[in-house]
Amino acid sequence: GNSVTQMEGPVTLSEEAFLTINCTYTATGYPSLFWYVQYPGEGLQLLLKATKADDKGSNKGFEATYRKETTSFHLEKGSVQVSDSAVYFCALSSGGSYIPTFGRGTSLIVHP
Amino acid sequence: EAQVTQNPRYLITVTGKKLTVTCSQNMNHEYMSWYRQDPGLGLRQIYYSMNVEVTDKGDVPEGYKVSRKEKRNFPLILESPSPNQTSLYFCASSLRSTTYSYEQYFGPGTRLTVT
Repeated sequence: GNSVTQMEGPVTLSEEAFLTINCTYTATGYPSLFWYVQYPGEGLQLLLKATKADDKGSNKGFEATYRKETTSFHLEKGSVQVSDSAVYFCALSSGGSYIPTFGRGTSLIVHP
Repeated sequence: EAQVTQNPRYLITVTGKKLTVTCSQNMNHEYMSWYRQDPGLGLRQIYYSMNVEVTDKGDVPEGYKVSRKEKRNFPLILESPSPNQTSLYFCASSLRSTTYSYEQYFGPGTRLTVT
């Protein structure tokens, strides 16, 4: 079956530091990959996505590249801000399945 | 404004007292689902619906019911709530995509406490 593994959190950084949150997956077929962000007290919202191998999704300074050979979709940002403090979820959908698979989420805390 | 709404946002109830959490979307999405979020466990899907009158179990359906009589609404029903159903609940909806990239839109969440 499908699965998503994310690095354990919390990840604690100082403002302007470089961010990487690792995500690896197993899936049948050719999945679409997503990063969702959950700000405190809110629901999840799509941050970025990639639908095929070597695609790069990007939004709000965040990037992730769909790496089929390493089955990874790591989230990166060059310079984090305090406002980026949130929980980040890696997810996939595969082969027309209506049951998306989410990782357990990684909490990011950015200090001024 | 395109959105998914849930009500109530917060609910404290007692064991065994039936409750319904409503979910509505205004984007004409075919697909809707319910999740629960618990510390250390991430998001787990409870039920989903591919269209009106079509529902199916997710990963953790025990103790829950759903119905989809209209495209925009997808209520979650707890017939006899128990303390282990204390959780944060999210409704989500999605439009089909030709590339199978089912981007989901989430509601703001319902914090349920069962005592």
